[in-house]
Amino acid sequence: KNQVEQSPQSLIILEGKNCTLQCNYTVSPFSNLRWYKQDTGRGPVSLTIMTFSENTKSNGRYTATLDADTKQSSLHITASQLSDSASYICVVIKGSSNTGKLIFGQGTTLQVKP
Amino acid sequence: EPEVTQTPSHQVTQMGQEVILRCVPISNHLYFYWYRQILGQKVEFLVSFYNNEISEKSEIFDDQFSVERPDGSNFTLKIRSTKLEDSAMYFCASSYPDRAKNIQYFGAGTRLSVL
Repeated sequence: KNQVEQSPQSLIILEGKNCTLQCNYTVSPFSNLRWYKQDTGRGPVSLTIMTFSENTKSNGRYTATLDADTKQSSLHITASQLSDSASYICVVIKGSSNTGKLIFGQGTTLQVKP
Repeated sequence: EPEVTQTPSHQVTQMGQEVILRCVPISNHLYFYWYRQILGQKVEFLVSFYNNEISEKSEIFDDQFSVERPDGSNFTLKIRSTKLEDSAMYFCASSYPDRAKNIQYFGAGTRLSVL
């Protein structure tokens, strides 16, 4: 079954600290994997996109990793800010092209406290 | 920066009524999508639309649902006879697929409440 599972479900950290969010997937065939940030009451916004051959990709304070062999990805946030408080969703594109269906994880809710 | 816009932001309707959710995708985009998110649950794919026809749909997208691109700018989702379980946040997205990315840009969503 094509699934995307994320952990932890929720996380509370202090401002300035780092954190790592995990994603495991069983989607096949796999096109690429994305991490989205979703603020409360808003639509998801793309943070990173990783193809099968990419192991690490950074976008500012966000660094995503991908292990296509074990079908695991992580999103590392460094020097967290209050504005990082949001839901972080791992999304896998099913299919052989990048126009395939998006399969969403349930998200990790991150709360950054001062 | 161009963005996907959705109207209304909140729609309240009675069970059995028809609703139309509206979306204006980013102007040069070619692929259009509808997703829904029931409160506290995952975002779920409903349908994708390309070249004036449905390219893929999920099992959720049954005969009660339809999509249309009535002109060059709007993309609509119609639910013919709403049920209580249709209450959710509905997101429209659009993309202009290049070779590597096909980033889908999401609107802010329409919250549909079926009473």
